[in-house]
Amino acid sequence: QKEVEQDPGPLSVPEGAIVSLNCTYSNSAFQYFMWYRQYSRKGPELLMYTYSSGNKEDGRFTAQVDKSSKYISLFIRDSQPSDSATYLCAMSRTIRGNLIFGKGTKLSVKP
Amino acid sequence: DAGVTQSPTHLIKTRGQHVTLRCSPISGHKSVSWYQQVLGQGPQFIFQYYEKEERGRGNFPDRFSARQFPNYSSELNVNALLLGDSALYLCASSSDEIWAGELFFGEGSRLTVL
Repeated sequence: QKEVEQDPGPLSVPEGAIVSLNCTYSNSAFQYFMWYRQYSRKGPELLMYTYSSGNKEDGRFTAQVDKSSKYISLFIRDSQPSDSATYLCAMSRTIRGNLIFGKGTKLSVKP
Repeated sequence: DAGVTQSPTHLIKTRGQHVTLRCSPISGHKSVSWYQQVLGQGPQFIFQYYEKEERGRGNFPDRFSARQFPNYSSELNVNALLLGDSALYLCASSSDEIWAGELFFGEGSRLTVL
């Protein structure tokens, strides 16, 4: 079993839809959770960073962490064609730890 | 301010050759990490350096090595290239030893091994 599981998609939604992206993980020691956005042939760009359980909101983006279920989510409201990218979840056991990434979910937002 | 810069952006090598990839962190950042991203996969951790000292190493063979220079730039070296080394090599920097949640990635060096 991989430490971090993420459905690779692809996921296609119409413009304006609410998008839900998810990852599950097996190691209960993970405490730091990140979401990155990666456009084609570019490096990952940090979107959201959450410590432990709870919700965090930033504009159209909301990150949720449920440590009891070992499940994290990223919600995108009012999705735009410019949101079309691959979304990677990443986790770390400690604040100094290396990141463990999911495979990424490819999202396409159609005008 | 310039972000993380990497060079070269693309390169093609043949099996058995050696490659050196270079990374300049964001100005003021002292920590550099290297990740390998194979097509269709998430990035996988290779090395982590802080203040020129290796602070972490992923599950990669000894053919992979790295170093950090006094100006905090870094090199990743790969010897005896294999076809499976074809990937996007990403460098990330952070301002201090605190890495989680503060890693900023460059655009990567895309290596093709023929």
